[in-house]
Amino acid sequence: DSGVTQTPKHLITATGQRVTLRCSPRSGDLSVYWYQQSLDQGLQFLIQYYNGEERAKGNILERFSAQQFPDLHSELNLSSLELGDSALYFCASSVGGNSDNEQFFGPGTRLTVL
Amino acid sequence: GENVEQHPSTLSVQEGDSAVIKCTYSDSASNYFPWYKQELGKRPQLIIDIRSNVGEKKDQRIAVTLNKTAKHFSLHITETQPEDSAVYFCAAPFKDTGRRALTFGSGTRLQVQP
Repeated sequence: DSGVTQTPKHLITATGQRVTLRCSPRSGDLSVYWYQQSLDQGLQFLIQYYNGEERAKGNILERFSAQQFPDLHSELNLSSLELGDSALYFCASSVGGNSDNEQFFGPGTRLTVL
Repeated sequence: GENVEQHPSTLSVQEGDSAVIKCTYSDSASNYFPWYKQELGKRPQLIIDIRSNVGEKKDQRIAVTLNKTAKHFSLHITETQPEDSAVYFCAAPFKDTGRRALTFGSGTRLQVQP
């Protein structure tokens, strides 16, 4: 157990819908990263928050958005869902905001868009 | 953007043999190179990392080597065991994020045959 929690574990929804994925970082970690992992694909970096502020942006679609709250938990919002958005979404946390901090991954949320 | 190329995509070895996975990167200013292991249905976990001020790092049966001139780094697993079977990802700082986040390779599926 990494100490990072994600809810829900599974999510099944229809095209065009909107969902919210939630992540709670390890105690003491200020940074949260979001990744998308499609079937048999690598980890695609979406976005990073550090202490409530957006710190880095990767290949995140405009239909997706995220935020980090004062208690440091983060939410990833996915809207106008398409079939291709079906994937495993991981969040990870680290102490600092730079890439050379070990990232601890949560168990992931499996999103299925029908 | 920063690309990290990883080879091979699949690797099958006999128990007790060695396994080598290679990654190349393009950003000469990259200074941190972690390796993550993802077992089937589980979260990625850091297994070893190396910084650009050293050429090699070992941890029991796992080692990572870095060639800054050629811009490649490799993961070496000796005396492989069935529990080493997993997908392995290399990563490097993502230049387009100011090197605040990581970009991951496409992964290597290692199968250790008993």
